[in-house]
Amino acid sequence: EAQVTQNPRYLITVTGKKLTVTCSQNMNHEYMSWYRQDPGLGLRQIYYSMNVEVTDKGDVPEGYKVSRKEKRNFPLILESPSPNQTSLYFCASAPSGRGHEQFFGPGTRLTVL
Amino acid sequence: QKEVEQNSGPLSVPEGAIASLNCTYSDRVSQSFFWYRQYSGKSPELIMSIYSNGDKEDGRFTAQLNKASQYVSLLIRDSQPSDSATYLCAVGEDSSYKLIFGSGTRLLVRP
Repeated sequence: EAQVTQNPRYLITVTGKKLTVTCSQNMNHEYMSWYRQDPGLGLRQIYYSMNVEVTDKGDVPEGYKVSRKEKRNFPLILESPSPNQTSLYFCASAPSGRGHEQFFGPGTRLTVL
Repeated sequence: QKEVEQNSGPLSVPEGAIASLNCTYSDRVSQSFFWYRQYSGKSPELIMSIYSNGDKEDGRFTAQLNKASQYVSLLIRDSQPSDSATYLCAVGEDSSYKLIFGSGTRLLVRP
């Protein structure tokens, strides 16, 4: 089944404890992206990647890191999480030439205490 | 700052009616427009894309684009309770495949 997977789906952590949210897609998509979704603010892009080893900042990159060493994986790293990073996070992927037609993962609900 | 505006709703319509969802955008040069549907507790899924002025129909869904007015709409004919969801309007940036989302309109279809 073609899909985007994220792990973990739910995470409660404490301020300052480094964490990684994994994202993997099995559709051989070149484009991958991370969003956060907050009530009243909609979906906002954190980082995106046009292909392996090519990443760039979205609208809200502060406090996040990403890497794209393999085509299928695009992990999101929070080096020192803070309470304002409590949010619902979505990973998405899209094929080359149709980057706006994004397939979303199931989401990761993160709470930082 | 490029913006996409939607009425948050909820928009409540009876089963079988036409639901009309609207969206305006700020960047006059935008060329790509999308509607994503998000059920409660689920992830967004693409339901329509439109690139040219006018109407685009897909089953019960019709997307309408008016670039002069910077206005995009989604019509859902013969609305069903299963259409109850939040509908996200998105505008695409061509250089980066970035999507700029509105905050969504919640649609409630009453049986």
